[in-house]
Amino acid sequence: AQSVSQHNHHVILSEAASLELGCNYSYGGTVNLFWYVQYPGQHLQLLLKYFSGDPLVKGIKGFEAEFIKSKFSFNLRKPSVQWSDTAEYFCASSIGGDQTGANNLFFGTGTRLTVIP
Amino acid sequence: GAGVSQSPRYKVAKRGQDVALRCDPISGHVSLFWYQQALGQGPEFLTYFQNEAQLDKSGLPSDRFFAERPEGSVSTLKIQRTQQEDSAVYLCASSWPGPRGNEQFFGPGTRLTVL
Repeated sequence: AQSVSQHNHHVILSEAASLELGCNYSYGGTVNLFWYVQYPGQHLQLLLKYFSGDPLVKGIKGFEAEFIKSKFSFNLRKPSVQWSDTAEYFCASSIGGDQTGANNLFFGTGTRLTVIP
Repeated sequence: GAGVSQSPRYKVAKRGQDVALRCDPISGHVSLFWYQQALGQGPEFLTYFQNEAQLDKSGLPSDRFFAERPEGSVSTLKIQRTQQEDSAVYLCASSWPGPRGNEQFFGPGTRLTVL
């Protein structure tokens, strides 16, 4: 069975500080990894995803994440946060591979990020 | 174009009532998912449709939960004899067919409160 762990429940940063949110997954096979963001009052939106290839993935709004297979990790980073990054961040995994067919996502419990102006 | 829409956005039910939650996926999206998000938790998978076929319902917590997508577009999640533990946000997501890494697009959710 798959599971995803996010160890930071609430992170508070000042603007311009660097961000790193931890994410660990449990699935031992080929895996797809995602970071979703939920801004206050809005629905879940995809920040970035790892499917295959370069383990350093760049997403929208200056976010990036690195897939480290040996550590089962997919941490999210941003060098300088803004007040508008205040949101809930969810890491998720699904079974990977080239076969077609959708796969349900397994989510972590989320990390609430508060950026202080 | 329009994203995934869900209705109602909020639903309050008395324990024992039946409820029906609707999801309108993005036009042309073959795959449709339902997730349940309890307070303070991440979304948890309930069920998955490919067109009108329900291919996976392993996440449905009990036989009180039933989902359908009869024409391969709009989907309804029905909960019979609601219980307090059913209180949660119910999310719908849709995606194109294709490789498993395809992005799922989420709707705003329906917040169900069972009194």
